[in-house]
Order: sequence, then C-alpha cells, then structure tokens
Amino acid sequence: GENVEQHPSTLSVQEGDSAVIKCTYSDSASNYFPWYKQELGKGPQLIIDIRSNVGEKKDQRIAVTLNKTAKHFSLHITETQPEDSAVYFCAASIKAAGNKLTFGGGTRVLVKP
Amino acid sequence: DTAVSQTPKYLVTQMGNDKSIKCEQNLGHDTMYWYKQDSKKFLKIMFSYNNKELIINETVPNRFSPKSPDKAHLNLHINSLELGDSAVYFCASSQGWQGNSPLHFGNGTRLTVT
Repeated sequence: GENVEQHPSTLSVQEGDSAVIKCTYSDSASNYFPWYKQELGKGPQLIIDIRSNVGEKKDQRIAVTLNKTAKHFSLHITETQPEDSAVYFCAASIKAAGNKLTFGGGTRVLVKP
Repeated sequence: DTAVSQTPKYLVTQMGNDKSIKCEQNLGHDTMYWYKQDSKKFLKIMFSYNNKELIINETVPNRFSPKSPDKAHLNLHINSLELGDSAVYFCASSQGWQGNSPLHFGNGTRLTVT
C-alpha cells in the first residue's frame, strides 16, 4: 500500500521567515495530495491540495509543489505568523482506491514572535 | 454551526467496557469516515461509508463496529475496550468517495482506557 514520509518532524522559525515541509510517497498511482493543519484540541483542517496534473499551486502565503517523477511534494509557508503554529500533515490518495488518504507523520511548526 | 460534530469530546472508561462515539455532519456529504490518531499524532483510516454502505474497512479488530443509520450519521461502537484503544478518534466527511474529495474533520473524541 501507499507509504507517505514527512520531514521534518518539528520546525521552529522566526516570525516573518519561511517554512518548508517535505513529503515523499511510494505509490506512483497516487494522484491527490492534500495538506492539513491541526491546531491543539481540534481536527485537521484542509489548507491546500494539489492534483497530479498540476505542478504548483498557491493560495496567499501558502504554496504547494509536486514532483511526480521524484514522488515528492512540499508545502511552503511564507511570511510566517504566530497563528501558523500548529501540526501540519501531508497526505496522498489514489483515485482508484476510493477516497482513502494515507497521511504523513506530521510536522509540528512553531513560529516564534 | 459545526459541520462535523462528534460526541462525546472526552471518554474515560475501564478495560472490558463497551462504548460508542457518535458523529453527525450537516454538509450534505454522502461519505463519512473514522480515523484514529495515536499518541504520536499518526492518523490512520479505519472505515468509510458511502450512503450507508461500507466502502473501506482497514485492518481493524472486529471489536470495532461502525454503524451508519443514514448518510448524515456514522457511529462507532467499540466492544471489550483495551488499553491500546486509547487514542483520539476523528470522524470526517466528504462529497463523493471515488477519490480526490477533500475531507472535513470533526474535532475528535479523546478515548482513554484505564
């Protein structure tokens, strides 16, 4: 089955700096790659997603890139703010396998004011 | 209004007991899920239902039995609870089950088995 690895597991940045989280996946049939943000005591919330027919997608301060050949995708957060502090998860799914998401292990991001 | 709501938020019980967690979504979605998040924050799918029909059933002990009375509700019943069942259980929903549909998660039920 699909395996998703995520790095780093923790990331500390100064407010205003950029944060980058990287994920790799194992199954070349994966074609959907969402990113979720989980705040303390809450459920994961979708922040951005990308499909395999797109190489890059941006939404304000958040961008995601996908390299299908290398089977890796990344989340970029620019101009980080204290409210960006949370745990971030990448995930991958294969359309043929139903809407089954395989998650990475998570990255705890701390933005220091 | 909460889109995906779970009850209870916290559940503390003893080994061997039977407990249920309820989930309801008001998004009009036709697919619902249960995910388990362990102490290391790892998220893993347990079940998914589409219009009350079981779609995904991962390798989960048969002590766990999901029930979907209608497409807006998916409950999780757990028999003979064990220490290893302690985790946060998340309900989620999506529009469609054929892949690439964003999931909307509830805020979780923290289950502690003593």
